[in-house]
Amino acid sequence: GESVGLHLPTLSVQEGDNSIINCAYSNSASDYFIWYKQESGKGPQFIIDIRSNMDKRQGQRVTVLLNKTVKHLSLQIAATQPGDSAVYFCAENIMGNQFYFGTGTSLTVIP
Amino acid sequence: GAVVSQHPSWVICKSGTSVKIECRSLDFQATTMFWYRQFPKQSLMLMATSNEGSKATYEQGVEKDKFLINHASLTLSTLTVTSAHPEDSSFYICSARPGAGEWTQYFGPGTRLTVL
Repeated sequence: GESVGLHLPTLSVQEGDNSIINCAYSNSASDYFIWYKQESGKGPQFIIDIRSNMDKRQGQRVTVLLNKTVKHLSLQIAATQPGDSAVYFCAENIMGNQFYFGTGTSLTVIP
Repeated sequence: GAVVSQHPSWVICKSGTSVKIECRSLDFQATTMFWYRQFPKQSLMLMATSNEGSKATYEQGVEKDKFLINHASLTLSTLTVTSAHPEDSSFYICSARPGAGEWTQYFGPGTRLTVL
């Protein structure tokens, strides 16, 4: 499989602060990326995606930034809430085929 | 929209038995479905890619005779773990892709398999 890694395995943030989760990918041919959120004992939940022809994409309280030069992806969560506590995975994809997932970052929101 | 279900959500079986897990796309047709397994506190590992009406493509290191995949319709794929052993205990997750230019995968809730 592809190598997709995360810089930080755990992250703790205060409620209301912004969170930034980072991801490095290795295949320069990857052209589609998704961030997923996974709560304990559940399947991954789609958060936001971005194609390689974009540098930034915004959703509701979330922003994904893509730096193709250094093969780096980040997820920013604004005004983090306790319900955001989960493991976050980035996944890379080439031409709509298989996705390969990174290690995951466990986000804990401190009330 | 884009809901994927799995059944059962949790199964406990004896060593040596076979277990079938179903993955259904409830409100869309999925030309491609994927099967993953996940160990505690680890990432998802892709096992195989399943296209409707054709044989599944397995990732390197995944035994196709042990993990039988059938994608009989555009809304159903099944994973059968044959002659299960305790080391097969894991969280199995499927995903489905609508196809036709949409690359996003939608995940099921997962099935926890415990082999005694």
